[in-house]
Amino acid sequence: SQTIHQWPATLVQPVGSPLSLECTVEGTSNPNLYWYRQAAGRGLQLLFYSVGIGQISSEVPQNLSASRPQDRQFILSSKKLLLSDSGFYLCAWNEPKTDTQYFGPGTRLTVL
Amino acid sequence: GNSVTQMEGPVTLSEEAFLTINCTYTATGYPSLFWYVQYPGEGLQLLLKATKADDKGSNKGFEATYRKETTSFHLEKGSVQVSDSAVYFCALSDSNDYKLSFGAGTTVTVRA
Repeated sequence: SQTIHQWPATLVQPVGSPLSLECTVEGTSNPNLYWYRQAAGRGLQLLFYSVGIGQISSEVPQNLSASRPQDRQFILSSKKLLLSDSGFYLCAWNEPKTDTQYFGPGTRLTVL
Repeated sequence: GNSVTQMEGPVTLSEEAFLTINCTYTATGYPSLFWYVQYPGEGLQLLLKATKADDKGSNKGFEATYRKETTSFHLEKGSVQVSDSAVYFCALSDSNDYKLSFGAGTTVTVRA
């Protein structure tokens, strides 16, 4: 069966520091991968999605970037964090040409 | 573009009460519709889905019917439990690129 992992689970970072969040999927190959952000008390915002290694589509211009160095690995990064980057970051996957996404446990990021 | 509108919360109920969360959508094409649930501090879990008009999705006592004529996918449960306390998200999947559009989420609290 497929599983999705995210780490770290929680992170507290100062403004201006770099960020790297990792997501990995097991039990499937060539998945579509997604990064979402959920700000406090708000819905989900799609940040990036990827249909293959090195293929990244950005949904919202921002302070963040994403990379997919391996088939089942998706990384969210920032060179300099802003206060507004605080939130709950969720990674998700689905099989190509299927409509159901499955979510990881999330990373709660607090920028101080 | 695609969009999902959910009834605003928070919703507070007593145990064994009837729960309805309204969801309407705007979409081009023929989307699939989903309800996801997020328990405190966790990621999103797929609760149920429906892929075409008049389909009924069901899981854990929850039901929702895909109503194309009213562009709705309302979530219902006949008798809620304290363990149903969570945030519920309605979502649709674009039939072209399978990206999800989410509603803002509805917080449900069930009291014993």
